Amino acid sequence: RKEVEQDPGPFNVPEGATVAFNCTYSNSASQSFFWYRQDCRKEPKLLMSVYSSGNEDGRFTAQLNRASQYISLLIRDSKLSDSATYLCVVSHGSSNTGKLIFGQGTTLQVKP
Amino acid sequence: GAVVSQHPSRVICKSGTSVKIECRSLDFQATTMFWYRQFPKQSLMLMATSNEGSKATYEQGVEKDKFLINHASLTLSTLTVTSAHPEDSSFYICSASGPPGLVEYEQYFGPGTRLTVT
Repeated sequence: RKEVEQDPGPFNVPEGATVAFNCTYSNSASQSFFWYRQDCRKEPKLLMSVYSSGNEDGRFTAQLNRASQYISLLIRDSKLSDSATYLCVVSHGSSNTGKLIFGQGTTLQVKP
Repeated sequence: GAVVSQHPSRVICKSGTSVKIECRSLDFQATTMFWYRQFPKQSLMLMATSNEGSKATYEQGVEKDKFLINHASLTLSTLTVTSAHPEDSSFYICSASGPPGLVEYEQYFGPGTRLTVT
């Protein structure tokens, strides 16, 4: 079983839609949680960290449920430029400067 | 933010040859560098962690004699794929993290190297 599981999708949504991605992790020792974005054939880029209290960055909202070992990402008012693969990432350390464990990624395609 | 470069960006080689990939932190000193591999439609998998001046720590299942890692300076790490075979064809990505106190303290990824072994 993979340590970080995601639904690979693809999620095909129209512009302006709200879309949610989910992720589960199996190691309860995980301390830090992140969402990365990866465009086709490019390196992953940090989208946002995820905190237990939930956090928001513009149209993006991330939530963490430690009891259920579940992480989510909500994207509101989808733009064409949001089309990418979204990677759920966990770390056993206190930041993302150490070993990162990546999920398979969820592909989002936003259509006009 | 900090910049990490990789060279080459793309390489095609024949089976049995060796390929060296360079990873450089351009504007900060990277105390730790990581090497990942990503097969199509799969997640990034950590291959090894290297600290400057010491031997790399390899993840389970990664052959250290096949994937040679050298982290000779605080700005350069190299990954050499020895005796490459078609199954080694993949997207190799390095990342680097600097010491605490760096303004933006996080792990920075290079643009990746696409290796094709024929």
